[in-house]
Amino acid sequence: QQPVQSPQAVILREGEDAVINCSSSKALYSVHWYRQKHGEAPVFLMILLKGGEQKGHEKISASFNEKKQQSSLYLTASQLSYSGTYFCGTSSGGGADGLTFGKGTHLIIQP
Amino acid sequence: SQTIHQWPATLVQPVGSPLSLECTVEGTSNPNLYWYRQAAGRGLQLLFYSVGIGQISSEVPQNLSASRPQDRQFILSSKKLLLSDSGFYLCAWGTGQPQHFGDGTRLSIL
Repeated sequence: QQPVQSPQAVILREGEDAVINCSSSKALYSVHWYRQKHGEAPVFLMILLKGGEQKGHEKISASFNEKKQQSSLYLTASQLSYSGTYFCGTSSGGGADGLTFGKGTHLIIQP
Repeated sequence: SQTIHQWPATLVQPVGSPLSLECTVEGTSNPNLYWYRQAAGRGLQLLFYSVGIGQISSEVPQNLSASRPQDRQFILSSKKLLLSDSGFYLCAWGTGQPQHFGDGTRLSIL
């Protein structure tokens, strides 16, 4: 079943912070986060594995609460380059059987 | 380092024509390979995945098929394209779970 992302869209000024949420109705083994710019392929940001792990990537970090089957992506002091659509992809089995993606969150950063 | 290549980048095909999209991975052995499709303005839908040569798992029944003739090669095919096959086709690879996507093929059906 497809994870639910919220919000669907958000508009920020450069330097503001954003939080994107990903929620699943199934128990999760991992959550993957990607950013896609218009007309391009998704770019891998990070993977979070079962265990409540939190990861960071420059000013972008994420958390994973396996009990709540939720993950959140945190964008701090947003830059213009952060604009795009963010997708979470989830896996319940931890095997090689692919990810189920949410519908995406459109992020627009204005100067 | 590992790289993934997809071609062609864009393709315009008439309804009923065949299709062959190719994906190759360099710099790794025995990767898990995946085909996803993204309809305009939508999320990504898993079509096929493969854990080894000749091993294909299908996620969505449709008129598409996939093959893996070599360790690092993954091919998406169709004998007769439908209008609904239009979209952005993405190949992905991972040593465990999928992580990295190729640049994609934008397929338009006329």
